[in-house]
Amino acid sequence: GENVEQHPSTLSVQEGDSAVIKCTYSDSASNYFPWYKQELGKRPQLIIDIRSNVGEKKDQRIAVTLNKTAKHFSLHITETQPEDSAVYFCAALKRDSGAGSYQLTFGKGTKLSVIP
Amino acid sequence: GAVVSQHPSRVICKSGTSVKIECRSLDFQATTMFWYRQFPKQSLMLMATSNEGSKATYEQGVEKDKFLINHASLTLSTLTVTSAHPEDSSFYICSARVKDEQFFGPGTRLTVL
Repeated sequence: GENVEQHPSTLSVQEGDSAVIKCTYSDSASNYFPWYKQELGKRPQLIIDIRSNVGEKKDQRIAVTLNKTAKHFSLHITETQPEDSAVYFCAALKRDSGAGSYQLTFGKGTKLSVIP
Repeated sequence: GAVVSQHPSRVICKSGTSVKIECRSLDFQATTMFWYRQFPKQSLMLMATSNEGSKATYEQGVEKDKFLINHASLTLSTLTVTSAHPEDSSFYICSARVKDEQFFGPGTRLTVL
């Protein structure tokens, strides 16, 4: 099955600095890569995603890059703010419409702390 | 985005009792819902995939007789933790699938005394 590795497990940055979280996946058939933000005691919320036919996607201060050859993808947060503090999860989806299969595998998470 | 609700948000029960958790898709129909368990400071662990009108698919190591799943309609899936014990205490989260995306419920904090 798919295996998703996420690093680092914890990350502290000064407010205004950038934060980068990296993930690798093992199955080259995975084709959709969402990132979730989870605040303490709350639900994971999708913040950005990227498909395998795209190398980079940006939404304001958040960007995601994908390197299919190396099987890794990264989340970049610029100009970090205290409200960015949360746990971030990457995930990789392998979906086969013909077979009707759907497998979303999560990384172990990164706890981001933004220091004011 | 799609909205998923979950009820109750928090439950405390005595050991040996059963607890039912409801997961509803509020503004869309969900053929497939997922149930996760999350321990403190850990990732989401998929327990089972709930398919409307058919039996749930359980992940390896998850006891189907202990964690009963019913997906009787396109907007409701339920998870019943039977004969709960303290080790079942955890944060249970459901999600509903919309194409490739999953939308999560707010979670249920279960504490078994």
